[in-house]
Amino acid sequence: QITLKESGPTLVKPTQTLTLTCTFSGFSLSSSGVGVGWIRQPPGKALEWLALIYWDDDKRYSPSLKSRFTITKDTSKNQVVLTMTNMDPVDTATYYCVHRAEAGMDVWGQGTTVTVSS
Amino acid sequence: QTVVTQEPSLTVSPGGTVTLTCSSSTGPITSGYYPNWFQQKPGQEPRPLIYDTSDKYSWTPSRFSGSLLGGKAALILSGVQPEDEAEYYCLLSYGGSWVFGGGTKLTVL
Repeated sequence: QITLKESGPTLVKPTQTLTLTCTFSGFSLSSSGVGVGWIRQPPGKALEWLALIYWDDDKRYSPSLKSRFTITKDTSKNQVVLTMTNMDPVDTATYYCVHRAEAGMDVWGQGTTVTVSS
Repeated sequence: QTVVTQEPSLTVSPGGTVTLTCSSSTGPITSGYYPNWFQQKPGQEPRPLIYDTSDKYSWTPSRFSGSLLGGKAALILSGVQPEDEAEYYCLLSYGGSWVFGGGTKLTVL
């Protein structure tokens, strides 16, 4: 059974850097074709795709947010980390990590809520 | 900036059929955009329904189907049930990066 769980601070101040960790089980991020991605959803708004990292360390980012985001993986710890610089109140959202394989983005974490406020 | 457009809202009667569509500002959608569809109910994380245009998951009810229609990706619900009332999102691939549509709020009334 594949599971993913997001963790990180629930409150950050504007201009700070946010670091979110996705800890997963039930699959290996060293297996061919497998990836882990991040998606967010501001309160009452639509989903927004952020970033994805593949088993071979190929990284993909949302073009509109690319300059602020970094995604990395630690295969030995079964973790993927998303770092976002220069946080702004508009970045307030629920952040989800997702498992990506041949069958699309098939398993989601429960999400973690991040509020950006001074 | 690429924009993916969905109908903001649709209403359907129980037992009816409804088609939700997803279009891209870059032009007609083909299978190479690998359309995905997700259902989200209030307070819940999104649930995947369709991937690669028309492939279903083991948990996807048979009344849901995906296709390409007139240059758009489509999610067709046949025999709509009250529990299908939800927000639906499409997701398209652009050379490895992905973009969500703005979502369609489906009301069953």
